[in-house]
Amino acid sequence: GQNIDQPTEMTATEGAIVQINCTYQTSGFNGLFWYQQHAGEAPTFLSYNVLDGLEEKGRFSSFLSRSKGYSYLLLKELQMKDSASYLCAVKSLQLIWGAGTKLIIKP
Amino acid sequence: GAGVSQSPSNKVTEKGKDVELRCDPISGHTALYWYRQSLGQGLEFLIYFQGNSAPDKSGLPSDRFSAERTGGSVSTLTIQRTQQEDSAVYLCASSSRTGGTDTQYFGPGTRLTVL
Repeated sequence: GQNIDQPTEMTATEGAIVQINCTYQTSGFNGLFWYQQHAGEAPTFLSYNVLDGLEEKGRFSSFLSRSKGYSYLLLKELQMKDSASYLCAVKSLQLIWGAGTKLIIKP
Repeated sequence: GAGVSQSPSNKVTEKGKDVELRCDPISGHTALYWYRQSLGQGLEFLIYFQGNSAPDKSGLPSDRFSAERTGGSVSTLTIQRTQQEDSAVYLCASSSRTGGTDTQYFGPGTRLTVL
């Protein structure tokens, strides 16, 4: 079957670093996306990885290992506004979504 | 338009009534997706359009749900004889195959409440 696993919830401190992991088992792989979703709002695109390695975009970085079926989203210098759910999605024939990780930032 | 738009933003209806939800994708985007999201849950895929055709309807939860897209642009999702378990936020997304990433851009959603 096809499966994407993410932790349900994580807590971190303002100014710190947090890593949100995503593991996947899919019948095909054509890229992995990370989206951010604030409560009551629609998901917004953060990053896309199709090759192994680290993609850095400001305070956010995303890593992919295709051989391990593993990705992580790294958030640095956490701000209160980073409190949101972070969704991992894998494109095989279609986009398969994880359930999301709710990130709580504490002062 | 600049982004994906959806209407209405909120819809309250009585059990058994039909509802129609509208999605207007980003201009030029050929792919359009409908999702459902219940409170605190992940995204549930409903249906996908490429142009006007729907190659993947596998996510529609029952035959009360249908969707169409005309002119390769606006799409409507219709739910007949609504039930309380249909209450959720219905999200629409569109994407373009240009560049290959096929990133989906979401509309603000329609919050449906079935009383």
